[in-house]
Amino acid sequence: GAGVSQTPSNKVTEKGKYVELRCDPISGHTALYWYRQSLGQGPEFLIYFQGTGAADDSGLPNDRFFAVRPEGSVSTLKIQRTERGDSAVYLCASSLNREAEAFFGQGTRLTVV
Amino acid sequence: AQSVTQLGSHVSVSEGALVLLRCNYSSSVPPYLFWYVQYPNQGLQLLLKYTTGATLVKGINGFEAEFKKSETSFHLTKPSAHMSDAAEYFCAVSDPGGYNKLIFGAGTRLAVHP
Repeated sequence: GAGVSQTPSNKVTEKGKYVELRCDPISGHTALYWYRQSLGQGPEFLIYFQGTGAADDSGLPNDRFFAVRPEGSVSTLKIQRTERGDSAVYLCASSLNREAEAFFGQGTRLTVV
Repeated sequence: AQSVTQLGSHVSVSEGALVLLRCNYSSSVPPYLFWYVQYPNQGLQLLLKYTTGATLVKGINGFEAEFKKSETSFHLTKPSAHMSDAAEYFCAVSDPGGYNKLIFGAGTRLAVHP
């Protein structure tokens, strides 16, 4: 498919564990975004990449959250020492450039037990 | 800081009836405004957006929205609801000329009954 792909679609982890969430953007899209959607709420911005660099990480809630995009394509969102409050759907989106329409993936549902 | 308020977390309409989903925003500068739709088990899909120019914006699937600066509103409408319109709808705002750093409302779940 040509859309944004996120893996895994579901992840259950124990409190305190480390998790990685992967995002494969649409080919050729230079901009990539991570959002978090908690139950009953709209998505909240986490971080924006332009190419390989994080242009805006102001939405990351604390230093347990980190994201990388080493080759300017695939991105990984990393969460250390997970807490139950981290349970949410993590959405990834990409766009051709910073002003073009953003296309969203289906998300990864993270459950911390 | 920007914010978005969607009035009504759940809206129910009959098939063929008018759809009206309300969105009000708060922004210190004229923002860009968006409506997204989320069908079950699918990603968010852009319905329409307002950047500049004509305040009445037409989107996909027969939806349209009107930017009213004086009311700080961007309500979504569709003249005649279809069963396939049942989904969750999100209004969002961003800084003009910026990137897709979207501030979303909490969403409105639309139910369409026969």
